[in-house]
Amino acid sequence: DTEVTQTPKHLVMGMTNKKSLKCEQHMGHRAMYWYKQKAKKPPELMFVYSYEKLSINESVPSRFSPECPNSSLLNLHLHALQPEDSALYLCASSHQTSYNEQFFGPGTRLTVL
Amino acid sequence: AQSVTQLGSHVSVSEGALVLLRCNYSSSVPPYLFWYVQYPNQGLQLLLKYTTGATLVKGINGFEAEFKKSETSFHLTKPSAHMSDAAEYFCAVTRKTSYDKVIFGPGTSLSVIP
Repeated sequence: DTEVTQTPKHLVMGMTNKKSLKCEQHMGHRAMYWYKQKAKKPPELMFVYSYEKLSINESVPSRFSPECPNSSLLNLHLHALQPEDSALYLCASSHQTSYNEQFFGPGTRLTVL
Repeated sequence: AQSVTQLGSHVSVSEGALVLLRCNYSSSVPPYLFWYVQYPNQGLQLLLKYTTGATLVKGINGFEAEFKKSETSFHLTKPSAHMSDAAEYFCAVTRKTSYDKVIFGPGTSLSVIP
């Protein structure tokens, strides 16, 4: 299985809602990533987990809260988001750390009203 | 610090013509280089990568790229464009250091004209 899955595919939420994005991989990868991507822009790194521990937080606002319950799962908890947070949220995984190629999921298209 | 530039935010080619997407990088240490493709409403997919060894790298879908250290370039080519090649292409650089992040270029949007 060489696939990274993400749920949901689309999410619309109000600024006072709490929601979560989910990412899963079964490739035995020990590094997992969250990226934010705006239209016609490259992905922007948000968080990196290595061996289930948070290793990089790119100064992301606290309204985004990552969680890695086990080596196959990665969640992104969302609370009190702003309209400018609307974007495609991509999850990726790789063997160990970033110098290995990253496998990306299809993304969650988030709209904040 | 590492950086990536991609000359041309948008490239148009005719079907059957050569595809050339340009990528230049800046790195103080030997780089690892990648080309990713993103089709509309999808995630990124790895086309090819250079780590060490042979400087001409072949990837999927008929694409290849050549690492030229003297020119700090890693241009992507395909001899004959197909309609299905229309997508966004990202060049990326990293290095073999734990926890080092991947730096993506700004991307080049490829259009293929029938």
